[in-house]
Amino acid sequence: GENVEQHPSTLSVQEGDSAVIKCTYSDSASNYFPWYKQELGKRPQLIIDIRSNVGEKKDQRIAVTLNKTAKHFSLHITETQPEDSAVYFCASKPQPWGADGLTFGKGTHLIIQP
Amino acid sequence: NAGVTQTPKFQVLKTGQSMTLQCAQDMNHEYMSWYRQDPGMGLRLIHYSVGAGITDQGEVPNGYNVSRSTTEDFPLRLLSAAPSQTSVYFCASKDSYFGELFFGEGSRLTVL
Repeated sequence: GENVEQHPSTLSVQEGDSAVIKCTYSDSASNYFPWYKQELGKRPQLIIDIRSNVGEKKDQRIAVTLNKTAKHFSLHITETQPEDSAVYFCASKPQPWGADGLTFGKGTHLIIQP
Repeated sequence: NAGVTQTPKFQVLKTGQSMTLQCAQDMNHEYMSWYRQDPGMGLRLIHYSVGAGITDQGEVPNGYNVSRSTTEDFPLRLLSAAPSQTSVYFCASKDSYFGELFFGEGSRLTVL
């Protein structure tokens, strides 16, 4: 089955700096890659996603890049703010049509230092 | 809209007991799923449904049953609870194959 590796497990950056979280996946058939943010004690929420036919997508301070050849994708957060502190999960959708579900990475705890 | 509603929020069970985690959504979503979240493990798919009457297994289905008799409800049944099932359980729904997953608030289960 699909395997998603996520690095680093913890990332501490100064407020205003950029943060980058990287994920690799194993199934070349994967075609959808979302990122979820989970604040402490809360439910995960989608922040950005990308389909396999797109190399990059931006939404204000957040961007995701995808390299299908290398089977890796990354989350980029610029001008980090205290409210960006959370656990971030990458995921992939490897199943063929008719099946469903996401395979998640183990998460990155992003800490924004004031 | 309430979104995705899970009950109970907290539950303590003894080994061998059975229980049902309830999940209901009011967004008319066809797709629903259950994930469990353990420290350092991310979220793992237990079971999913692509519509009423259709369910299938995910990555970690053993010890759990599901059914989908209506579009709105997707209960998760623990048949004989084990300490390894101590976890936080999230129900989620979406409106399309590539749609955004909307999660419930989670149910924290402890099995003694």
